[in-house]
Amino acid sequence: DTAVSQTPKYLVTQMGNDKSIKCEQNLGHDTMYWYKQDSKKFLKIMFSYNNKELIINETVPNRFSPKSPDKAHLNLHINSLELGDSAVYFCASSHRTGQETQYFGPGTRLLVL
Amino acid sequence: GDSVTQMEGPVTLSEEAFLTINCTYTATGYPSLFWYVQYPGEGLQLLLKATKADDKGSNKGFEATYRKETTSFHLEKGSVQVSDSAVYFCALSDLPNTGNQFYFGTGTSLTVIP
Repeated sequence: DTAVSQTPKYLVTQMGNDKSIKCEQNLGHDTMYWYKQDSKKFLKIMFSYNNKELIINETVPNRFSPKSPDKAHLNLHINSLELGDSAVYFCASSHRTGQETQYFGPGTRLLVL
Repeated sequence: GDSVTQMEGPVTLSEEAFLTINCTYTATGYPSLFWYVQYPGEGLQLLLKATKADDKGSNKGFEATYRKETTSFHLEKGSVQVSDSAVYFCALSDLPNTGNQFYFGTGTSLTVIP
Protein backbone atom coordinates (compact mmCIF):
# COMPACT_ATOMS: atom_id res chain seq x y z
CA ASP A 1 0.00 0.00 0.00
CA THR A 2 2.91 2.33 -0.82
CA ALA A 3 1.65 5.87 -1.41
CA VAL A 4 4.16 6.93 -4.09
CA SER A 5 6.13 4.21 -5.82
CA GLN A 6 8.88 4.36 -8.41
CA THR A 7 10.47 1.76 -10.64
CA PRO A 8 13.20 0.85 -11.01
CA LYS A 9 14.98 1.61 -7.76
CA TYR A 10 18.39 1.34 -9.42
CA LEU A 11 19.28 1.94 -13.04
CA VAL A 12 22.76 1.49 -14.49
CA THR A 13 23.16 2.17 -18.19
CA GLN A 14 25.56 3.29 -20.88
CA MET A 15 25.89 6.79 -22.31
CA GLY A 16 23.66 7.36 -25.29
CA ASN A 17 20.95 4.94 -24.20
CA ASP A 18 17.28 5.83 -23.72
CA LYS A 19 15.60 4.91 -20.45
CA SER A 20 12.33 5.46 -18.59
CA ILE A 21 11.47 5.75 -14.92
CA LYS A 22 7.92 5.06 -13.81
CA CYS A 23 5.99 6.67 -10.97
CA GLU A 24 2.59 5.86 -9.54
CA GLN A 25 0.64 7.38 -6.65
CA ASN A 26 -2.44 5.95 -4.96
CA LEU A 27 -3.26 9.03 -2.90
CA GLY A 28 -5.78 10.50 -5.31
CA HIS A 29 -3.62 13.60 -5.74
CA ASP A 30 -4.02 16.05 -8.60
CA THR A 31 -0.40 17.03 -9.07
CA MET A 32 2.78 15.03 -9.58
CA TYR A 33 6.41 16.15 -9.78
CA TRP A 34 9.84 15.01 -10.79
CA TYR A 35 12.93 16.16 -8.90
CA LYS A 36 16.62 15.55 -9.50
CA GLN A 37 18.95 15.22 -6.51
CA ASP A 38 22.65 15.55 -7.19
CA SER A 39 25.56 14.06 -5.28
CA LYS A 40 25.54 17.02 -2.87
CA LYS A 41 21.89 16.34 -2.02
CA PHE A 42 20.69 19.48 -3.81
CA LEU A 43 17.09 19.06 -4.99
CA LYS A 44 15.97 20.59 -8.27
CA ILE A 45 12.38 20.57 -9.55
CA MET A 46 12.21 19.29 -13.10
CA PHE A 47 8.56 18.97 -13.95
CA SER A 48 5.12 19.24 -12.46
CA TYR A 49 1.88 17.86 -13.88
CA ASN A 50 -1.59 18.86 -12.74
CA ASN A 51 -4.46 16.75 -14.08
CA LYS A 52 -2.23 15.62 -16.94
CA GLU A 53 -1.18 19.14 -17.90
CA LEU A 54 2.33 20.46 -17.53
CA ILE A 55 2.34 23.40 -15.17
CA ILE A 56 6.03 23.75 -14.41
CA ASN A 57 8.83 23.05 -16.79
CA GLU A 58 12.11 24.16 -15.33
CA THR A 59 15.11 24.59 -17.54
CA VAL A 60 16.00 21.00 -18.21
CA PRO A 61 17.34 19.55 -21.45
CA ASN A 62 14.67 18.47 -23.90
CA ARG A 63 16.15 14.97 -23.72
CA PHE A 64 13.96 14.68 -20.63
CA SER A 65 10.27 14.24 -21.34
CA PRO A 66 7.54 13.60 -18.78
CA LYS A 67 4.57 11.51 -19.82
CA SER A 68 1.37 11.24 -17.81
CA PRO A 69 -1.10 8.60 -19.08
CA ASP A 70 -3.48 9.46 -16.21
CA LYS A 71 -3.38 11.52 -13.05
CA ALA A 72 -2.05 8.61 -10.97
CA HIS A 73 1.04 8.14 -13.14
CA LEU A 74 3.89 10.38 -14.24
CA ASN A 75 6.72 8.70 -16.10
CA LEU A 76 10.06 10.25 -17.00
CA HIS A 77 11.69 9.34 -20.28
CA ILE A 78 15.31 10.26 -20.90
CA ASN A 79 16.87 10.16 -24.36
CA SER A 80 20.59 9.98 -25.18
CA LEU A 81 21.74 9.66 -21.60
CA GLU A 82 24.84 11.61 -20.56
CA LEU A 83 27.27 11.17 -17.69
CA GLY A 84 25.87 14.28 -16.01
CA ASP A 85 22.44 12.70 -15.80
CA SER A 86 23.71 10.43 -13.03
CA ALA A 87 21.70 11.37 -9.96
CA VAL A 88 18.78 10.26 -7.83
CA TYR A 89 15.40 11.08 -9.34
CA PHE A 90 12.43 11.51 -7.04
CA CYS A 91 8.78 11.49 -7.92
CA ALA A 92 6.33 13.32 -5.63
CA SER A 93 2.63 14.13 -5.51
CA SER A 94 0.28 16.56 -3.76
CA HIS A 95 -3.16 18.07 -3.89
CA ARG A 96 -2.97 21.24 -5.92
CA THR A 97 -5.47 23.13 -3.85
CA GLY A 98 -3.70 25.03 -1.12
CA GLN A 99 -0.11 24.77 -0.06
CA GLU A 100 -0.26 21.06 0.44
CA THR A 101 2.38 18.63 1.57
CA GLN A 102 4.27 16.83 -1.16
CA TYR A 103 4.70 13.08 -0.72
CA PHE A 104 7.87 11.60 -2.14
CA GLY A 105 8.68 8.25 -3.67
CA PRO A 106 11.76 6.27 -2.61
CA GLY A 107 13.88 7.52 -5.51
CA THR A 108 15.54 5.99 -8.57
CA ARG A 109 19.31 5.93 -8.49
CA LEU A 110 20.54 6.41 -12.05
CA LEU A 111 24.16 5.79 -12.93
CA VAL A 112 25.32 6.53 -16.47
CA LEU A 113 28.61 4.89 -17.45
CA GLY B 1 11.67 35.33 -6.33
CA ASP B 2 11.00 32.82 -3.61
CA SER B 3 13.93 31.08 -1.95
CA VAL B 4 15.06 29.23 1.13
CA THR B 5 18.44 29.60 2.80
CA GLN B 6 19.45 26.83 5.10
CA MET B 7 22.33 26.36 7.49
CA GLU B 8 25.16 24.49 5.83
CA GLY B 9 26.36 21.23 7.23
CA PRO B 10 27.53 18.80 8.00
CA VAL B 11 26.53 18.91 11.64
CA THR B 12 27.89 16.36 14.11
CA LEU B 13 26.43 16.10 17.60
CA SER B 14 26.70 13.75 20.51
CA GLU B 15 23.61 11.86 21.59
CA GLU B 16 21.30 13.92 23.82
CA ALA B 17 22.72 17.23 22.58
CA PHE B 18 20.49 20.14 21.58
CA LEU B 19 19.93 20.64 17.87
CA THR B 20 19.21 23.81 15.92
CA ILE B 21 19.20 23.99 12.13
CA ASN B 22 18.60 27.50 10.85
CA CYS B 23 16.30 28.25 7.95
CA THR B 24 15.29 31.63 6.54
CA TYR B 25 13.08 32.32 3.58
CA THR B 26 12.13 34.91 0.99
CA ALA B 27 8.61 34.85 -0.41
CA THR B 28 6.31 37.20 -2.27
CA GLY B 29 3.10 35.88 -0.73
CA TYR B 30 2.11 34.01 2.43
CA PRO B 31 3.92 30.71 2.19
CA SER B 32 3.54 27.46 4.02
CA LEU B 33 6.80 26.21 5.49
CA PHE B 34 8.00 22.64 5.81
CA TRP B 35 10.80 20.52 7.17
CA TYR B 36 11.51 17.27 5.39
CA VAL B 37 13.91 14.54 6.51
CA GLN B 38 15.80 12.14 4.28
CA TYR B 39 17.24 9.04 5.91
CA PRO B 40 20.13 7.29 4.13
CA GLY B 41 19.01 5.59 0.95
CA GLU B 42 15.41 6.77 1.25
CA GLY B 43 13.11 9.44 -0.14
CA LEU B 44 12.07 12.61 1.63
CA GLN B 45 9.50 12.39 4.40
CA LEU B 46 7.53 15.25 5.84
CA LEU B 47 8.75 15.98 9.37
CA LEU B 48 6.58 18.99 10.22
CA LYS B 49 4.87 21.98 8.69
CA ALA B 50 3.38 25.36 9.56
CA THR B 51 0.93 27.25 7.40
CA LYS B 52 0.78 30.71 8.95
CA ALA B 53 2.73 33.12 11.10
CA ASP B 54 3.31 32.06 14.72
CA ASP B 55 2.24 28.49 14.02
CA LYS B 56 4.46 25.85 15.59
CA GLY B 57 4.93 22.56 13.81
CA SER B 58 6.07 19.59 15.86
CA ASN B 59 6.73 15.88 15.37
CA LYS B 60 9.00 13.22 16.92
CA GLY B 61 10.42 15.75 19.40
CA PHE B 62 11.30 18.23 16.63
CA GLU B 63 9.67 21.61 16.46
CA ALA B 64 9.83 24.78 14.39
CA THR B 65 7.98 28.09 14.70
CA TYR B 66 6.94 30.19 11.72
CA ARG B 67 8.38 33.66 12.43
CA LYS B 68 7.16 36.19 9.90
CA GLU B 69 9.05 39.09 11.49
CA THR B 70 12.39 37.35 11.03
CA THR B 71 11.30 35.24 8.00
CA SER B 72 12.62 32.17 9.76
CA PHE B 73 11.60 28.59 10.46
CA HIS B 74 14.42 27.13 12.53
CA LEU B 75 14.31 23.43 13.40
CA GLU B 76 15.03 22.43 17.00
CA LYS B 77 15.18 19.29 19.07
CA GLY B 78 16.07 19.16 22.74
CA SER B 79 17.85 15.81 22.80
CA VAL B 80 18.96 14.12 19.60
CA GLN B 81 19.34 10.39 19.13
CA VAL B 82 21.54 8.33 16.83
CA SER B 83 18.42 7.50 14.83
CA ASP B 84 18.01 11.21 13.97
CA SER B 85 21.07 11.03 11.70
CA ALA B 86 19.76 12.15 8.32
CA VAL B 87 19.64 15.07 5.90
CA TYR B 88 17.11 17.78 6.79
CA PHE B 89 15.53 20.05 4.19
CA CYS B 90 13.66 23.28 4.79
CA ALA B 91 11.09 24.14 2.12
CA LEU B 92 8.38 26.62 1.28
CA SER B 93 5.28 26.57 -0.90
CA ASP B 94 3.82 29.87 -1.98
CA LEU B 95 0.46 29.29 -3.66
CA PRO B 96 -1.07 30.82 -5.66
CA ASN B 97 2.06 32.57 -6.90
CA THR B 98 3.96 29.41 -7.75
CA GLY B 99 1.34 26.75 -8.33
CA ASN B 100 2.41 24.70 -5.32
CA GLN B 101 5.98 24.64 -6.49
CA PHE B 102 8.22 23.83 -3.56
CA TYR B 103 11.45 25.71 -2.97
CA PHE B 104 13.92 23.54 -1.07
CA GLY B 105 16.97 24.57 0.87
CA THR B 106 20.27 22.87 0.15
CA GLY B 107 19.86 20.34 2.96
CA THR B 108 21.76 19.96 6.24
CA SER B 109 23.39 16.63 7.01
CA LEU B 110 23.19 15.63 10.67
CA THR B 111 25.24 12.87 12.23
CA VAL B 112 24.59 11.92 15.85
CA ILE B 113 27.30 9.91 17.55
CA PRO B 114 26.75 7.73 20.63
